[in-house]
Amino acid sequence: EPEVTQTPSHQVTQMGQEVILRCVPISNHLYFYWYRQILGQKVEFLVSFYNNEISEKSEIFDDQFSVERPDGSNFTLKIRSTKLEDSAMYFCASTRESRSYNSPLHFGNGTRLTVT
Amino acid sequence: TQLLEQSPQFLSIQEGENLTVYCNSSSVFSSLQWYRQEPGEGPVLLVTVVTGGEVKKLKRLTFQFGDARKDSSLHITAAQPGDTGLYLCAGASAAGNKLTFGGGTRVLVKP
Repeated sequence: EPEVTQTPSHQVTQMGQEVILRCVPISNHLYFYWYRQILGQKVEFLVSFYNNEISEKSEIFDDQFSVERPDGSNFTLKIRSTKLEDSAMYFCASTRESRSYNSPLHFGNGTRLTVT
Repeated sequence: TQLLEQSPQFLSIQEGENLTVYCNSSSVFSSLQWYRQEPGEGPVLLVTVVTGGEVKKLKRLTFQFGDARKDSSLHITAAQPGDTGLYLCAGASAAGNKLTFGGGTRVLVKP
């Protein structure tokens, strides 16, 4: 069964550094998402992306965050200047259609970001 | 802001017992999904319920969506050690796939 793949599985970075988290969604999917989960807390929506533009974003997704689909297969999340509180598990997800009951979300296994 | 509260946060039972996990909100969701998440992995979808009052069964798991589409429950019959894991509920917004997750229920089934 096709999977969403994320790399790296674990990223350690120093505060203030830029990081790029990479995701390869399932090939025939059209809608892409980033969620994050701070240790011990709920999974939180960050951003949704369709047709090469952001369709919705949360309050967490401020100017330090950006997303891109640079080459038609990868979907990236960039954090420009990381803060300690950005430490979390970041999940990429994709789906074929916009309505969840028609087309469920497929999640990757996540990238654990540790900011020191 | 839509919120989903799951209860209990942790449940420990003996093999063969039944258990129920609850997911409650003051908001209406267009659909509600239940996921299971293993350590080091992403959430994996178990079921989506859409219609108020809907009941879906997946082997020994029974999922129910409340009539008002604000709450849901997951019932496991005759739990087995393989059911051990973190169960998450998530509500979908009317516009699409933005999900609001509950805090999760960690289930431990002891042999």
